[in-house]
Amino acid sequence: AQKITQTQPGMFVQEKEAVTLDCTYDTSDPSYGLFWYKQPSSGEMIFLIYQGSYDQQNATEGRYSLNFQKARKSANLVISASQLGDSAMYFCAMREGLGGGFKTIFGAGTRLFVKA
Amino acid sequence: SQTIHQWPATLVQPVGSPLSLECTVEGTSNPNLYWYRQAAGRGLQLLFYSVGIGQISSEVPQNLSASRPQDRQFILSSKKLLLSDSGFYLCAWSSGREKETQYFGPGTRLLVL
Repeated sequence: AQKITQTQPGMFVQEKEAVTLDCTYDTSDPSYGLFWYKQPSSGEMIFLIYQGSYDQQNATEGRYSLNFQKARKSANLVISASQLGDSAMYFCAMREGLGGGFKTIFGAGTRLFVKA
Repeated sequence: SQTIHQWPATLVQPVGSPLSLECTVEGTSNPNLYWYRQAAGRGLQLLFYSVGIGQISSEVPQNLSASRPQDRQFILSSKKLLLSDSGFYLCAWSSGREKETQYFGPGTRLLVL
């Protein structure tokens, strides 16, 4: 069965520093996609970054990068140069199957607090 | 461009009352549609998903149901609400293509008293 684990309920980071949010996953399907979402206090879910299981390079999107370690089944999100606006809940998610897959499961989330 | 709408934004309902939450998508056709529930401070729980009109898959047994009467309309219903139905309900759509994320609506905050 699919499983996503985020072991950090809350994280603090100083403004302008980098922070890593942990995510491990478990699946028996060799084809899968990993996603990270940001949820500010308004409740909207904002897509940040995607990593496919066959992608050779770690995904990057601006200040976001995904540290993908396939053998360890981890997909940690790295946020560089943290900003106050980065304070939010962050969810790691996985979808089995690279195309036409329907079910995405989410981790419990990590609340990030950025300190001025 | 595609947009997704949900209403109402906030709802307070008594225990035992019915529920109807609506979600519509614009700017795309034949989307995959999803209903999620998020309890306070928790992750998202997939409730239902649909790959086409009239096709509904349920992920967890509960007193909720979903319907898809039109291609871009997804409705979440209940005949009798329970206290445990309180939460934040999110509708989402996706194209099903590789690397395609799900796009979420603004959500409905439901409080059952």
